[in-house]
Amino acid sequence: AQRVTQPEKLLSVFKGAPVELKCNYSYSGSPELFWYVQYSRQRLQLLLRHISRESIKGFTADLNKGETSFHLKKPFAQEEDSAMYYCALSGRGAGGTSYGKLTFGQGTILTVHP
Amino acid sequence: EPEVTQTPSHQVTQMGQEVILRCVPISNHLYFYWYRQILGQKVEFLVSFYNNEISEKSEIFDDQFSVERPDGSNFTLKIRSTKLEDSAMYFCASSRERDQPQHFGDGTRLSIL
Repeated sequence: AQRVTQPEKLLSVFKGAPVELKCNYSYSGSPELFWYVQYSRQRLQLLLRHISRESIKGFTADLNKGETSFHLKKPFAQEEDSAMYYCALSGRGAGGTSYGKLTFGQGTILTVHP
Repeated sequence: EPEVTQTPSHQVTQMGQEVILRCVPISNHLYFYWYRQILGQKVEFLVSFYNNEISEKSEIFDDQFSVERPDGSNFTLKIRSTKLEDSAMYFCASSRERDQPQHFGDGTRLSIL
């Protein structure tokens, strides 16, 4: 079974402060992890995925298989980062092909104060 | 940039009635998905669809639910004999390949009275 846990429902930081949104997962196979973001009144958008190892809008996330974590980090938060953030997992088969379906965490509402 | 579009944005239906939620995936995408989010809960996978058939479905997706791609552009979710607990936001998503990122629509808020 696949499970994603985001322990913080709400996270508040001040502009310029570092931010870390926690995500832990449970999956017996090879996982692919994603962060999706939903800004106010907008649709869910992909922020980043672990296999591309990119930094998007200053955010990074490293897959730690030992700790089964995929925490999202940004060294200096901006007010425009205020949004709902979802961690999601997709399983991969033995050949590396994604199974497609996403399992989401509960989501964390990030508020960045001026 | 192409987007997934969903209609209607809000659907209000009497309990026991049938409802059809519509989605237009991005035109060159091959994999289609429905998810739902009950208020205050997680986004949950319902079903994935490829090559005109269901490729995977969750335990939520029982006989009450069905999906269809009636033409080359639309992808629909039908819910028969709706129940109060079907009230939720329903999201459609599509991807070019199964291991490519999924693009989500704005969602349809379904309210069952």
